[in-house]
Amino acid sequence: AQRVTQPEKLLSVFKGAPVELKCNYSYSGSPELFWYVQYSRQRLQLLLRHISRESIKGFTADLNKGETSFHLKKPFAQEEDSAMYYCAPGGHSASKIIFGSGTRLSIRP
Amino acid sequence: DAGVIQSPRHEVTEMGQEVTLRCKPISGHDYLFWYRQTMMRGLELLIYFNNNVPIDDSGMPEDRFSAKMPNASFSTLKIQPSEPRDSAVYFCASSWTSGGAGTQYFGPGTRLTVL
Repeated sequence: AQRVTQPEKLLSVFKGAPVELKCNYSYSGSPELFWYVQYSRQRLQLLLRHISRESIKGFTADLNKGETSFHLKKPFAQEEDSAMYYCAPGGHSASKIIFGSGTRLSIRP
Repeated sequence: DAGVIQSPRHEVTEMGQEVTLRCKPISGHDYLFWYRQTMMRGLELLIYFNNNVPIDDSGMPEDRFSAKMPNASFSTLKIQPSEPRDSAVYFCASSWTSGGAGTQYFGPGTRLTVL
């Protein structure tokens, strides 16, 4: 069965501290992996995708196929990073992706 | 482009009433998705369309829910009759084939409350 797990509902860290949001998935074949973010009073939007191997707003995510994980990391958290983050695996077409339950990241000043 | 447009933004209705949610995808997008978000179940895919044709409706909870896409610029999600457990935020999203997998653009959502 296709499944994605984000074990932390809430993650609270101090500004300037490192951040790691965990994501584990179970998906047939070789999925593409994405992170979506929803800032307060804004729409859910794509943050980054593993295939691009890019850093967005200081965030990176490494796909570990052996551990079937796709953790999101940032070395120094900023207050504007406070948001809801969703891990999402999907197929290689523009069709459906599966969203995790989300992790609320709260950055304390 | 205004992005994905949803209406109404808020809907309060009584149990048993019919509810219709509306979505206008981004022009040129050929995929449209309907999601439901609740505290208990998170973000669930209800149904998605490709070129106005329903592809996967396995997430539709029951026969009370129906969705249509009569043309490329409009889709509706209907609940009839509505029940209190349908209270949730309903999102519409769109994407396009050449845009790559996973790049979905979300609307602002409709917050539905069924009393």
